Amino acid sequence: GENVEQHPSTLSVQEGDSAVIKCTYSDSASNYFPWYKQELGKGPQLIIDIRSNVGEKKDQRIAVTLNKTAKHFSLHITETQPEDSAVYFCAASIRGGATNKLIFGTGTLLAVQP
Amino acid sequence: EAQVTQNPRYLITVTGKKLTVTCSQNMNHEYMSWYRQDPGLGLRQIYYSMNVEVTDKGDVPEGYKVSRKEKRNFPLILESPSPNQTSLYFCASRAGRGYNEQFFGPGTRLTVL
Repeated sequence: GENVEQHPSTLSVQEGDSAVIKCTYSDSASNYFPWYKQELGKGPQLIIDIRSNVGEKKDQRIAVTLNKTAKHFSLHITETQPEDSAVYFCAASIRGGATNKLIFGTGTLLAVQP
Repeated sequence: EAQVTQNPRYLITVTGKKLTVTCSQNMNHEYMSWYRQDPGLGLRQIYYSMNVEVTDKGDVPEGYKVSRKEKRNFPLILESPSPNQTSLYFCASRAGRGYNEQFFGPGTRLTVL
């Protein structure tokens, strides 16, 4: 079946450094790629997303890049802060049954050391 | 406040004892889903619903049931829970066709002994 691979599974950075998380998807028809942040004890929350007709999108300290040819996309966080510490999930849309659905990556635990 | 709520947040039960996890959203969303989250496996969709009385299987539906009698509610039913259903469960909703952002509930941690 379709899948999304996410790397690394854990990432530790110093406060102020940049963090990059990478994902690869298998369905060439995927056209929507969201990133979710999950803080301890909470549900995932959308932080940024990108559609397949765009190569890059930025929102303050976070950015997402998409390479459709290679079927991979990445999350970039600059000037990391302790409150960025969380689990991050990437996802890709696929056609599932009567509607599109999301296939999630396995998650990246980001730890920002003060 | 726009939100998805789930109850209970934590549940410990025994094998075979039927249970229901409730989910409710106050955003008038058409689509609702249930996911389970397991270490190393990410989030996997159990069931989804496109509207009242319209439900369909996700990727891991075995051992679960759902119903959608009202637009705001989407309960998850485990008629005979087993230890392999020990997991963290999330309910999510989105507005409908053409709207991609999913809003997740806070999660229900289920342990089946």
